[in-house]
Amino acid sequence: KNQVEQSPQSLIILEGKNCTLQCNYTVSPFSNLRWYKQDTGRGPVSLTIMTFSENTKSNGRYTATLDADTKQSSLHITASQLSDSASYICVVSSSASKIIFGSGTRLSIRP
Amino acid sequence: GAVVSQHPSWVICKSGTSVKIECRSLDFQATTMFWYRQFPKQSLMLMATSNEGSKATYEQGVEKDKFLINHASLTLSTLTVTSAHPEDSSFYICSARGPAGGGLKWGTDTQYFGPGTRLTVL
Repeated sequence: KNQVEQSPQSLIILEGKNCTLQCNYTVSPFSNLRWYKQDTGRGPVSLTIMTFSENTKSNGRYTATLDADTKQSSLHITASQLSDSASYICVVSSSASKIIFGSGTRLSIRP
Repeated sequence: GAVVSQHPSWVICKSGTSVKIECRSLDFQATTMFWYRQFPKQSLMLMATSNEGSKATYEQGVEKDKFLINHASLTLSTLTVTSAHPEDSSFYICSARGPAGGGLKWGTDTQYFGPGTRLTVL
């Protein structure tokens, strides 16, 4: 069964600290994995997209990793800012054009 | 590039009325658009897949006669919530699948999301 599981469900950290969000998937055959950021009351916005051959990709203070062998991905946020408060959604696409959403991690940054 | 708009951004209506939400891909043609519903503090739930020029494919449990989807052109899909009830109050988000070719930047399975429409039924 194709599934995407994210952890933790929610996370609260102080401004300036780093954090790492996890995504485990069982989607097969794998095509690519994306991380989206969704602000409250807004549509998701793509942060990174990773294919089978990519291990690490950065977008500013966001760094995503992918281990295709263990089927795990992480999103690391460096030097968090208040504006990073949002839900982060992991989305995995299969080669059969199936798109599976994770349930998201709600991140709150406290001043 | 890859901008998707939704209109309206929010709407309040009386129970029993119908509400139409538009989803437009502004700078690319989208043969496929998706409609999602999201309740507070929950993830997106796919309602239906809309293909230009053909009938939409609805997910299990979604009433096709209640949520009418029309994808009349390559840049516009509409969702009409018919005879809305308070339990239909939710955040409705559309996405458009990117055009073919151009590598992953415009991958055919890349979805670009609209900003969402907040529906409140009184």
